[in-house]
Amino acid sequence: KNQVEQSPQSLIILEGKNCTLQCNYTVSPFSNLRWYKQDTGRGPVSLTIMTFSENTKSNGRYTATLDADTKQSSLHITASQLSDSASYICVVSAPGTASKLTFGTGTRLQVTL
Amino acid sequence: SQTIHQWPATLVQPVGSPLSLECTVEGTSNPNLYWYRQAAGRGLQLLFYSVGIGQISSEVPQNLSASRPQDRQFILSSKKLLLSDSGFYLCAWSVQPKNTGELFFGEGSRLTVL
Repeated sequence: KNQVEQSPQSLIILEGKNCTLQCNYTVSPFSNLRWYKQDTGRGPVSLTIMTFSENTKSNGRYTATLDADTKQSSLHITASQLSDSASYICVVSAPGTASKLTFGTGTRLQVTL
Repeated sequence: SQTIHQWPATLVQPVGSPLSLECTVEGTSNPNLYWYRQAAGRGLQLLFYSVGIGQISSEVPQNLSASRPQDRQFILSSKKLLLSDSGFYLCAWSVQPKNTGELFFGEGSRLTVL
């Protein structure tokens, strides 16, 4: 069964600190992996997409890594800001339509002063 | 640019009442359209997806239904709501024919069934 597991479930950090969120998946075959940011009460927004051959991809202060051999991904947030407070969802895609997406349950990040 | 509109944003309905959530996409043609439900502490669950007008695929058997009367309009309905239908409903679209997996989500509709 295709699964995506994220850790930690929740995280509280001080503004300005860095943090790393983890995503482990068992989806096969694999097409790509996306990280979404979801603000409370809003729809998710894509941060990064990584295909099988990509190891690292950055989007501003967000850096995603992918190890396709161990089926692990991480999202590193540098110099966190209050606006980073949100849920971060890892989504793994199998080849085909988006009906073959497997969603993680997300990591809820809270950035405090 | 493409935009997606979803309404209503919040809805409180009694058990047994009907439901209609609407979603429209602007700025693109022939998109894939999706309805997801997000329950607290759980990942997004795909309910329905559509690749064209009148073409609906159901992923989870339930008392909900979906329709696509126009190319960029997607409607989620129920004749009689259950308590278990409460949740956050998200409409989304993606590009056809080749899909990279990116979904563009609406702002969501929070449904509370009492």
